[in-house]
Amino acid sequence: GAGVSQSPSNKVTEKGKDVELRCDPISGHTALYWYRQRLGQGLEFLIYFQGNSAPDKSGLPSDRFSAERTGESVSTLTIQRTQQEDSAVYLCASSLGSGSHEQYFGPGTRLTVT
Amino acid sequence: KQEVTQIPAALSVPEGENLVLNCSFTDSAIYNLQWFRQDPGKGLTSLLLIQSSQREQTSGRLNASLDKSSGRSTLYIAASQPGDSATYLCAVGGIQTGANNLFFGTGTRLTVIP
Repeated sequence: GAGVSQSPSNKVTEKGKDVELRCDPISGHTALYWYRQRLGQGLEFLIYFQGNSAPDKSGLPSDRFSAERTGESVSTLTIQRTQQEDSAVYLCASSLGSGSHEQYFGPGTRLTVT
Repeated sequence: KQEVTQIPAALSVPEGENLVLNCSFTDSAIYNLQWFRQDPGKGLTSLLLIQSSQREQTSGRLNASLDKSSGRSTLYIAASQPGDSATYLCAVGGIQTGANNLFFGTGTRLTVIP
C-alpha cells in the first residue's frame, strides 16, 4: 500500500508569512508524529497524535507552531509569522499505535524562509 | 532528557568491507531502538527495529544489536556496496513521556567506494 506522503515537497516563503504543511499517514495508522531536521542537526520531535486523544505538543518550539489532525487521517502543521530559524525539513511519521510500534516516515517538506 | 550519540560522524570504506556503526544513549528506559537510512532529498527508510526486550535483529546483510543496560547499539553491515552509501540514523523510543516519540542521533555519513 501507499506510504506516508507529504506536501508540498518544497516551500519557499518570506519571513513573516504563514505556511501550512500537510501529511497523509498510512491508512489504519492511529499514531502520527511531526519532526523537524535543521541543517546539520538531528531530528527533533515536535508533536504527536494518537487516535482521538489530546495531542502531545511538548516538542513545539513556540506558540507560532500548531498542528491539527482530523480523526485518524490527514494532519496539517501550521507555522505562523515564519522566521529564518524555521528553515528546516519537516518530517511526518505514522505508526500502528503508541508504544513500541515501528514508525514510517514520509519524504519531508523542505521549508526555506527568506 | 534522552541524548543519543553516533560515532563516527563520517566513514569511508572500500567496497566489500564489513563495517560497524555505533550508537549510544543516556537513558536505558526505552521502548525500542530503530536504525534508519537517509538518502539526500528523501525521507527516512527504516532498516531494523529492536524491541527493548530483544538483543539483536537481522535483515539481509544488516545486523543490529542492543545492550540496553549499557546504553549501546551497533549496526553491522556486511560486504558493503556502493548502494549502501547514505546517512545512517539511530533513534530510541522513550517511555518517559509515554508517547514513544523518537530521540535521534545526528547520524553517520557512510561512503562506500567502488
